[in-house]
Amino acid sequence: HVQLQELGPRLVKPSQTLSLTCSVSGDSMTSGSYLWNWIRQPAGKGLEWIGRVFTSGQNDYNPSLESRVTISLDTSKNQFSLKMTSMTAADTAVYYCARSPPRDSRVYYGYFQYWGQGSLVTVST
Amino acid sequence: DIQMTQSPSTLSAFAGDRVTITCRASQSISTWLAWYQQKPGKAPNLLISKASNLEIGVPSRFSGSGSGTEFTLTISSLQPDDSATYYCQQYKTSSSDFGQGTKLEIK
Repeated sequence: HVQLQELGPRLVKPSQTLSLTCSVSGDSMTSGSYLWNWIRQPAGKGLEWIGRVFTSGQNDYNPSLESRVTISLDTSKNQFSLKMTSMTAADTAVYYCARSPPRDSRVYYGYFQYWGQGSLVTVST
Repeated sequence: DIQMTQSPSTLSAFAGDRVTITCRASQSISTWLAWYQQKPGKAPNLLISKASNLEIGVPSRFSGSGSGTEFTLTISSLQPDDSATYYCQQYKTSSSDFGQGTKLEIK
């Protein structure tokens, strides 16, 4: 079955841009119509959905983060990416990538069927 | 945003007990609700989608119900392995929202 792995730096300086990649294996990203998501979780706290990219390239973002976030696809490399600008200590968290189930007829299902193991990103000087 | 409120925030019960976790949405989400189980240091694991559809491989002691604004996750006979934090998630809108989580401890 499909596996996802988050790749990228573990330490980011304040005001810098975070760039994370989710590498997808076990299935081609274009084998169906999916939603590819980023979710984060500060230590000891709950889950926060960051945003998603459709297989078509369309995006949806969490309104509270939308001005700072870009999520994009690279189907040639079977991966998708997260860029988050103006990082602060409040953005320190475990960042997960996740895939939603395939579109059924014309309906996308926005829950998260497969998850990466998570990548701890710390914002600090 | 749709506010998702879980209760209780923490729960302690004995093995063999039946437990219920409630999730309330600030507006109707029909049955566009999922439940996840998360153990320390691990990614969440999908248990239930569309409010009551049990994922393949999830033990049958887990069940979900509800529609509109009120939903429940029930574990019929607690096992020690069920110690975890449980989250609900609405996916009706184009912006997804999680509940704050319910930490379940087995006495």
